[in-house]
Amino acid sequence: AQSVAQPEDQVNVAEGNPLTVKCTYSVSGNPYLFWYVQYPNRGLQFLLKYITGDNLVKGSYGFEAEFNKSQTSFHLKKPSALVSDSALYFCAVRDLNNNAGNMLTFGGGTRLMVKP
Amino acid sequence: ETGVTQTPRHLVMGMTNKKSLKCEQHLGHNAMYWYKQSAKKPLELMFVYSLEERVENNSVPSRFSPECPNSSHLFLHLHTLQPEDSALYLCASSQDLAGGTQYFGPGTRLLVL
Repeated sequence: AQSVAQPEDQVNVAEGNPLTVKCTYSVSGNPYLFWYVQYPNRGLQFLLKYITGDNLVKGSYGFEAEFNKSQTSFHLKKPSALVSDSALYFCAVRDLNNNAGNMLTFGGGTRLMVKP
Repeated sequence: ETGVTQTPRHLVMGMTNKKSLKCEQHLGHNAMYWYKQSAKKPLELMFVYSLEERVENNSVPSRFSPECPNSSHLFLHLHTLQPEDSALYLCASSQDLAGGTQYFGPGTRLLVL
């Protein structure tokens, strides 16, 4: 079985400050990890993904995420937040070893609020 | 734009109505998905299609009926829905089922009265 946890329903950050949105996962095999962002009344937009290789993954809009196998985490980060980053962020996982249908399991989402 | 379009964007229907949601992808992908996004709940995968064949049906009630006539189009036929079916229905596509990134459409906001 595969699962994802986003422990924070909401994260509040001042503009210009660094931000972190947390994600932990559980898989029986090797993980394939994603971050998506959802703006109001829109679908999910792909930000970045990790399969193998460098643990630090860079994505769209200046976001990056760090894969930590020992802590089973894949936290999303950005050095300097913008008001326009305010949105709903979803972490997702797929177990590469046990998932023939490319089925992703999504976390419950974290709302990021960046205040001017 | 992600290359995945959905129509209509908004839909209000009564419990006795029959309606269909449409999804079209312009990415040349071979796999398509339907998800349900309800308030306060994680995204729920409903159906997966690969090369027009259904791969997965996550115990979805029969009042939801998918159709995939070709690899570019995916429909979700709705009949005798319940108010709790009100949600945002998202379509996604990926190159294949080998692990490709899923790209999502904007969704259809459905309200069942």
